[in-house]
Amino acid sequence: SQTIHQWPATLVQPVGSPLSLECTVEGTSNPNLYWYRQAAGRGLQLLFYSVGIGQISSEVPQNLSASRPQDRQFILSSKKLLLSDSGFYLCAWSVFLGRSPLHFGNGTRLTVT
Amino acid sequence: DQQVKQNSPSLSVQEGRISILNCDYTNSMFDYFLWYKKYPAEGPTFLISISSIKDKNEDGRFTVFLNKSAKHLSLHIVPSQPGDSAVYFCAASAAGTYKYIFGTGTRLKVLA
Repeated sequence: SQTIHQWPATLVQPVGSPLSLECTVEGTSNPNLYWYRQAAGRGLQLLFYSVGIGQISSEVPQNLSASRPQDRQFILSSKKLLLSDSGFYLCAWSVFLGRSPLHFGNGTRLTVT
Repeated sequence: DQQVKQNSPSLSVQEGRISILNCDYTNSMFDYFLWYKKYPAEGPTFLISISSIKDKNEDGRFTVFLNKSAKHLSLHIVPSQPGDSAVYFCAASAAGTYKYIFGTGTRLKVLA
């Protein structure tokens, strides 16, 4: 069966520090991968998606970036965090674009101080 | 422009009764709809989905209804249990697109 791992679970970082969140999927090949963010009291906002290695599409201009160095690995990064980057970050995968469920990891709670 | 809306931020229901969660969408290209359940500090868990070629889909205690003319879907939970207390998100997508658009969620509280 397929599983998705996301780490760390919680992170407290000072403003201006770098960020690296990692996500890996097991049990499937060539998944579509996603990064979402949930800000306090709000819905899920799509940040990035990827349909293959090295293929990244950005939804929202910001100081975050994503990379997919391997088929089942998705990384969210920032060179310098802002206070507004605080939130709950979720990695997800799907099989078919727009036709199969997204399956989420357990998320990373990021607090920028 | 919010394409998927959940207008009720919260809902309280007595244990054993029916919970009905509602969702409206504006984009007529959406043809695949999903419901997720989310506990605090966890990722959303997929519950049930429906394609636009159907108007109803059931899975155990969960039933999703789709009214395409009204651009409305609902999730029925029968009977409601205290463990169902969580935030529920609806989501929509269009075939061949990458984007799953989520509503802002409805917090369901099932009272024992």
